[in-house]
Amino acid sequence: SQQGEEDPQALSIQEGENATMNCSYKTSINNLQWYRQNSGRGLVHLILIRSNEREKHSGRLRVTLDTSKKSSSLLITASRAADTASYFCALMTTDSWGKLQFGAGTQVVVTP
Amino acid sequence: GAVVSQHPSRVICKSGTSVKIECRSLDFQATTMFWYRQFPKQSLMLMATSNEGSKATYEQGVEKDKFLINHASLTLSTLTVTSAHPEDSSFYICSAGDGKGPQHFGDGTRLSIL
Repeated sequence: SQQGEEDPQALSIQEGENATMNCSYKTSINNLQWYRQNSGRGLVHLILIRSNEREKHSGRLRVTLDTSKKSSSLLITASRAADTASYFCALMTTDSWGKLQFGAGTQVVVTP
Repeated sequence: GAVVSQHPSRVICKSGTSVKIECRSLDFQATTMFWYRQFPKQSLMLMATSNEGSKATYEQGVEKDKFLINHASLTLSTLTVTSAHPEDSSFYICSAGDGKGPQHFGDGTRLSIL
């Protein structure tokens, strides 16, 4: 079952704009991870944020985590056409034994 | 970074055929691998956790006799879809991880049963 809920389901932006997507969850987590999937391909890990962390950066990516609100956000700054993909949050819950539970994903389209 | 290779990338076969999908960790030892199924425009659904040297752990609702998993070495896990039928058509993805950090994914296998 999906434990993470993402919004929006789809996002269409112009190159250079920022893209923000959110992930909400209901359980206790050890960490929350964000992945990217190009159409018809496997997933690529982007960022892992631990439950005791509030913000992490990686290049043009910024992830926040608010455990009191049980939510996380992924921000892509200065988007490029190559950022077009589906983005998934994945929860490693405290009782998951190493398994990840994926959200429904946000489909991002960046037009030149 | 860690690399996971999945083969084949695409399979088209007749109903009733059994299909084997391989998942290899190329540059690290994977004691645990995961098998997912993904329907078009949907999220990943965990099917089973593959443990090296022991039986796989299947998620609720996944038929273990239908989806046979073997993890005989630290670098190879296989998923065999037995007597496949059109409803088994899907995108199957494997991953490997240490159970604490990120998982490393293969490129997936598109299975089409005619």
